[in-house]
Amino acid sequence: QQQVKQSPQSLIVQKGGISIINCAYENTAFDYFPWYQQFPGKGPALLIAIRPDVSEKKEGRFTISFNKSAKQFSLHIMDSQPGDSATYFCAASIGAGNMLTFGGGTRLMVKP
Amino acid sequence: DGGITQSPKYLFRKEGQNVTLSCEQNLNHDAMYWYRQDPGQGLRLIYYSQIVNDFQKGDIAEGYSVSREKKESFPLTVTSAQKNPTAFYLCASSKWSGANVLTFGAGSRLTVL
Repeated sequence: QQQVKQSPQSLIVQKGGISIINCAYENTAFDYFPWYQQFPGKGPALLIAIRPDVSEKKEGRFTISFNKSAKQFSLHIMDSQPGDSATYFCAASIGAGNMLTFGGGTRLMVKP
Repeated sequence: DGGITQSPKYLFRKEGQNVTLSCEQNLNHDAMYWYRQDPGQGLRLIYYSQIVNDFQKGDIAEGYSVSREKKESFPLTVTSAQKNPTAFYLCASSKWSGANVLTFGAGSRLTVL
């Protein structure tokens, strides 16, 4: 049973555009929602994370939007650049000491 | 620099052979993990270990084995019982108090011929 569903599976965006990746979760006990970024041939790395006490968190061009009632959260990449081309994973966990549940991943390609 | 080293980066094996993937960390992290990555399926947990000489099965442990004899090392053996072993394998670590913040290695790609 996939507890975190991620869409789309792949995404092509023009340089300068906005990339939007969505995730939906089922377990209402989840209280930590990170996004990981993975470049080809590399391991994922933590990009940005949010807790449900806020509806939005921004770090540079990357923003997480969180909708607790809908059990959804999304990653927005503003002014997308070719260097943003990577696979993005959303994830969720219950508390700080518990395992992450990952979404299926989104392969983003930003065309120059 | 602190980090996680996985080796080899690429590995080819014949069907029916056991293979062992190495994972070493110098972050002084307590917990270590093995994930399998397949296209469209995200990251699936194979095994994890919170302390030396102790480990637990993840969601897809069948056909895999691990050991944790040292804090720094968490090797993964892909046995001949694993029905579809061709995949990208990722090792990760975390401080146990922050198990939801993972540091990943660069991965090992195993291809079974």
